[in-house]
Amino acid sequence: DAGVTQSPTHLIKTRGQQVTLRCSPISGHKSVSWYQQVLGQGPQFIFQYYEKEERGRGNFPDRFSARQFPNYSSELNVNALLLGDSALYLCASSLAVFTTALKQFFGPGTRLTVL
Amino acid sequence: DAKTTQPPSMDCAEGRAANLPCNHSTISGNEYVYWYRQIHSQGPQYIIHGLKNNETNEMASLIITEDRKSSTLILPHATLRDTAVYYCIVRGASLQGAQKLVFGQGTRLTINP
Repeated sequence: DAGVTQSPTHLIKTRGQQVTLRCSPISGHKSVSWYQQVLGQGPQFIFQYYEKEERGRGNFPDRFSARQFPNYSSELNVNALLLGDSALYLCASSLAVFTTALKQFFGPGTRLTVL
Repeated sequence: DAKTTQPPSMDCAEGRAANLPCNHSTISGNEYVYWYRQIHSQGPQYIIHGLKNNETNEMASLIITEDRKSSTLILPHATLRDTAVYYCIVRGASLQGAQKLVFGQGTRLTINP
């Protein structure tokens, strides 16, 4: 079975531009979460979506937005890019949110560089 | 969610058991201990989780002390491919809000040949 897939793998943008990152969860998984990982740090939670509804948001500005589609895939959008947005963006999928086991399966990430 | 404390780095010889400690002295009764690892430039990988009892799977064993204030992840026969950053995470079984993982700095484990 395919794991979590993300596209693109790498991306280079300039300050002020907008970017869209895409994620396809494991088949049968209904929840998608997004994390940002800056070099040298652990991943930081951005959003979680379940059944197309936002379940939670981390401490990120409104420039960050996301959505989930009927097929459970998801997009993360970042507007007005700043140099500090350069990071590895990780998508994680899980079966559901109503579970005691927080087993999230991560994709390989999208490496975003903002120049 | 309870805070965790891990050593920043550890070394282990290939073929030996790697024992990674984690302190979580403020853990509450309904909080689970999770371990994830991240091999360089890849997404984190789930390893194991537990509540009270020791757990074992094909990847590792998790030993939780009786007072639940600390735990140890054991990789029984470490290989070079186990070189990674290992994260210990404590999380409650909340059905409200986001099911998010809160990552700390983790332990950078280096397996030496």
